Amino acid sequence: NAGVTQTPKFRVLKTGQSMTLLCAQDMNHEYMYWYRQDPGMGLRLIHYSVGEGTTAKGEVPDGYNVSRLKKQNFLLGLESAAPSQTSVYFCASTQGAPTGYTFGSGTRLTVV
Amino acid sequence: TQLLEQSPQFLSIQEGENLTVYCNSSSVFSSLQWYRQEPGEGPVLLVTVVTGGEVKKLKRLTFQFGDARKDSSLHITAAQPGDTGLYLCAGGGTASKLTFGTGTRLQVTL
Repeated sequence: NAGVTQTPKFRVLKTGQSMTLLCAQDMNHEYMYWYRQDPGMGLRLIHYSVGEGTTAKGEVPDGYNVSRLKKQNFLLGLESAAPSQTSVYFCASTQGAPTGYTFGSGTRLTVV
Repeated sequence: TQLLEQSPQFLSIQEGENLTVYCNSSSVFSSLQWYRQEPGEGPVLLVTVVTGGEVKKLKRLTFQFGDARKDSSLHITAAQPGDTGLYLCAGGGTASKLTFGTGTRLQVTL
């Protein structure tokens, strides 16, 4: 089973460029999340979705947008990348509490 | 904002030693989960505890959820090099959201 797949795995952007990170899960999970992980700051929630067609803001949503048009996919967009968005981005999904999350292997993004 | 603080932040020990990692908060959580993350990978779930005072064992790892559901501990007996990694606690909230702790980086050497 593939679980949660994130693409791309690595990306370098110039300041002001845009990009979309794709997360796909094959477990029919209702809930999906986007986190960023920075040294010393742990995992911080950017946006999340409780089902197809729904999205909501997390702890650090500024500069990001998301869409969940299909249940299995959760897209994270950066409209105008900034160096502060240099980070490792993780997607996760779950069927619901208290079931744990299944994480993707991450996307390492560098904005120069 | 709910915060989860882990201690210690870093731990370097030799194979065979015992260790305990702590996860503390002033907030009450509906559940508490522990994950282990290896370099270049996403976190992997180790355990979920949901009842105050609950203790779960996973081979050499023992997890405890505090009576008030505000804190948790992870105890590893006779650590092995394969235990090396970043350990993350996470508290459950609304919409199945998790608040993650700051992490404890463990290195076990021969």
